[in-house]
Amino acid sequence: GAGVSQSPSNKVTEKGKDVELRCDPISGHTALYWYRQRLGQGLEFLIYFQGNSAPDKSGLPSDRFSAERTGESVSTLTIQRTQQEDSAVYLCASSPVVSEKLFFGSGTQLSVL
Amino acid sequence: SQQGEEDPQALSIQEGENATMNCSYKTSINNLQWYRQNSGRGLVHLILIRSNEREKHSGRLRVTLDTSKKSSSLLITASRAADTASYFCATDNGGANNLFFGTGTRLTVIP
Repeated sequence: GAGVSQSPSNKVTEKGKDVELRCDPISGHTALYWYRQRLGQGLEFLIYFQGNSAPDKSGLPSDRFSAERTGESVSTLTIQRTQQEDSAVYLCASSPVVSEKLFFGSGTQLSVL
Repeated sequence: SQQGEEDPQALSIQEGENATMNCSYKTSINNLQWYRQNSGRGLVHLILIRSNEREKHSGRLRVTLDTSKKSSSLLITASRAADTASYFCATDNGGANNLFFGTGTRLTVIP
């Protein structure tokens, strides 16, 4: 497709389980971002990838969170040993130019029971 | 925190009226952007204004930037019910390569 694709769109999991969220950026976009948005709140920066450079992981809230991206392709965000406070919408975005005009996916709604 | 702050948190107006939202930020920037979000999912880019610009227009949108006050405003003229959404400002960090989003303004346009 032409836009940023995220899967799954919804994920319900039990506390303590691991989850993996996927993001397919727009082809040719070198920059890829992950954000978390809790209900009724703003976007919380998690991690940023730019080409083959080392990612900016400064926003990851704990060592249970990790993300990978191979080159300029798909990215996966993994949350280990999920907790109830991890429940949120996880948004992925890509852009052709660093820090300009991000294109967002529709997000993954994660619910930890 | 670099995160911007929007003001007001919520705004309710009648269709046809103008809506003004404000954003304040904390450090120097290269650009400031405004995004719109419907129904708590993906955001859509509206407009980008660079640090050397003071005003920019796009259709019914007008954005101003005052770098001395570290603030920006988004004006939506002749509002429509379809403009109902949350609006966020986003700033880079002068040299950083990521974008920091504000807390958003929830706009409700009453038909």
